[in-house]
Amino acid sequence: GAGVSQSPRYKVAKRGQDVALRCDPISGHVSLFWYQQALGQGPEFLTYFQNEAQLDKSGLPSDRFFAERPEGSVSTLKIQRTQQEDSAVYLCASSLQAGGTEQYFGPGTRLTVT
Amino acid sequence: SQQGEEDPQALSIQEGENATMNCSYKTSINNLQWYRQNSGRGLVHLILIRSNEREKHSGRLRVTLDTSKKSSSLLITASRAADTASYFCATDANDMRFGAGTRLTVKP
Repeated sequence: GAGVSQSPRYKVAKRGQDVALRCDPISGHVSLFWYQQALGQGPEFLTYFQNEAQLDKSGLPSDRFFAERPEGSVSTLKIQRTQQEDSAVYLCASSLQAGGTEQYFGPGTRLTVT
Repeated sequence: SQQGEEDPQALSIQEGENATMNCSYKTSINNLQWYRQNSGRGLVHLILIRSNEREKHSGRLRVTLDTSKKSSSLLITASRAADTASYFCATDANDMRFGAGTRLTVKP
């Protein structure tokens, strides 16, 4: 079957605009993760869902960041009032089980805030 | 904040040589994973080693884990140009923490 998909692949936003990034995990995967990856750095954990429940959002950098997974499948990461420092690649990953298993990553959404 | 730290930051070798990358981490873990990222793409899982394991093999990959030193190493044997990528270690699965990665270049 298909892997994890993300849309859009590229997004340019003017400073102050709101953006919404979509993640379609692998069908049946319980866990879903969002990461932020700056250029030349490793992915930084943002938030984690188990089905529709957001179990950990400790990595969200500010209250401008919001994530949801209302039906336990597709997830949306929303960034309000974007700032230049939000420019990064946003990666989504899913895993079959609740914990301790390999994650399957999507290709990412490259966000550029001008 | 990032938990794992890979060393070296960059490594350049000739095709056929072995490549060794190291990872150090700070807190107790349940497992440690290694991932590969090709330029402009998402990460691909390579191997997972649990805290009660000391060594694991998968094809040309060999991973060791020393929990007393809080370190792990990834060895790629008989490297190929297609192994050129960034390699990351990550600790645990939920709330997974990645290092900054080792950039491996394999010259043909």
